[in-house]
Amino acid sequence: DIQMTQSPSSLSASVGDRVTITCRPSQSISGYLNWYQQKAGKAPELLIYTASSLQSGVPSRFSGSGSGTDFTLTISSLQPEDFATYYCQQTYSTPWTFGQGTKVEIK
Amino acid sequence: EVQLVESGGGLVQPGRSLRLSCAASRFTFDDYAMHWVRQTPGKGLEWVSGIGWNSGDIVYADSVKGRFTISRDNAKNSLYLHMNSLRPEDSAMYYCAKDITSSGSGTFDIWGQGTMVTVSS
Repeated sequence: DIQMTQSPSSLSASVGDRVTITCRPSQSISGYLNWYQQKAGKAPELLIYTASSLQSGVPSRFSGSGSGTDFTLTISSLQPEDFATYYCQQTYSTPWTFGQGTKVEIK
Repeated sequence: EVQLVESGGGLVQPGRSLRLSCAASRFTFDDYAMHWVRQTPGKGLEWVSGIGWNSGDIVYADSVKGRFTISRDNAKNSLYLHMNSLRPEDSAMYYCAKDITSSGSGTFDIWGQGTMVTVSS
């Protein structure tokens, strides 16, 4: 199975900050990487697919980049509604696996 | 609004069975593959099983293979997960999720609200 490692596990940031979350798979996955946002008590929501494609309806302050074994999710200007947990997921091969999550908290 | 609604969760003893259901609405159900994904505080998100639009492609995580069976009824816009020989480590919130393709890409664009399964004596 492909192991997905996110860093950091948590971070504190202020509204307006630029936030970057990293995801590193245990082997190369080309561009088969998704990002999800999960708010407390809710189901995950798809933000980014195939590393850099923005899901319909997702604000443009979210962006994704990377390929192979190094991927990044960036929030260009953190908004109050962005405080949540973010997960990466590889879709290169089954079983499709997720990172452990990065919790973005208010500073 | 596109919607998935899970049901069937609950408290069950180890070794027993449970069937989860997921009702889909406001999209063409038989155009898409569907999945079950579970989540626990300790292990995080874990993909469990997926099924293609016509039930021709079915895959399972090793942790549930041989114990769980995924199925769908396109006439009823419904997805199911039959869980047998349940173990305490199967305790989790179970989500139904829609794939973005018909055969199954592993990308989930719509999720239900989840149904909780607790396996305990």
